[in-house]
Amino acid sequence: SQQGEEDPQALSIQEGENATMNCSYKTSINNLQWYRQNSGRGLVHLILIRSNEREKHSGRLRVTLDTSKKSSSLLITASRAADTASYFCAAAMNTGFQKLVFGTGTRLLVSP
Amino acid sequence: NAGVMQNPRHLVRRRGQEARLRCSPVKGHSHVYWYRQLPEEGLKFMVYLQKENIIDESGMPKERFSAEFPKEGPSILRIQQVVRGDSAAYFCASSLYWDTNEQFFGPGTRLTVL
Repeated sequence: SQQGEEDPQALSIQEGENATMNCSYKTSINNLQWYRQNSGRGLVHLILIRSNEREKHSGRLRVTLDTSKKSSSLLITASRAADTASYFCAAAMNTGFQKLVFGTGTRLLVSP
Repeated sequence: NAGVMQNPRHLVRRRGQEARLRCSPVKGHSHVYWYRQLPEEGLKFMVYLQKENIIDESGMPKERFSAEFPKEGPSILRIQQVVRGDSAAYFCASSLYWDTNEQFFGPGTRLTVL
C-alpha cells in the first residue's frame, strides 16, 4: 500500500497547549501537504511544503520535512477548541500531475 | 464563491443498484480528481480526469466503477451493482492546472449500501 502513516492516531490536549502530529510516506515526492477535516465534512488545505524546503510557517502552524527520513511533522501552537478535527498529510508524488497519497490521519481533540 | 460542489451529499442504495455521484469543479478548473475515504481511514486516490479524458485511473477498481468528465456538465463517478463494501465517503477535488499545488475539495458524498 502506498498510503502513509501518521502518529499519533489520536491526540487529546487542553486549550493553549501545542499539538504535534507526525507523518511518514513511502515514495519520492514533489511536495507534502497538510489538510484538516472536520467531522463529516470535506478537506481544508492548510499548508504545503516543497521537497527542497525543510521548514515552513503559517500563522500558528509549523511544518517540517525530512526527505531523507521520508517524514514530516505538523505543529499547532496555542491550540484552540476550534482546532478539534482530523488532520491528514498528503504526499504529492512525482507523477507529473498532483497525485496525492494521504496518510491515515490524526484525530485531535482540544478541550476548553 | 462557488467552490467544488458535490451531490447528493448522502446516497442510500440497496445491493445491486447503481450509484451516480456528481461533482461540479470550481469554475474554470478543468482538472478533477476523485478520492474514496473508508471509515476511520485517509483518502485514497481513485481517478484523475481532464475535460473529456481520463488521465490516470490507477486507483479505480477494475470492475463496476467508471468516471467521466464531459465537455459540458459535471464529472460523474458511477458505481454499478453496488455492494456493501462500496459504502464510503467519495470526495471530488479540482485544480486549475495539471501540476498546480493545491486541490480544492468538495464536501463529499456519503454512500451507504444496505
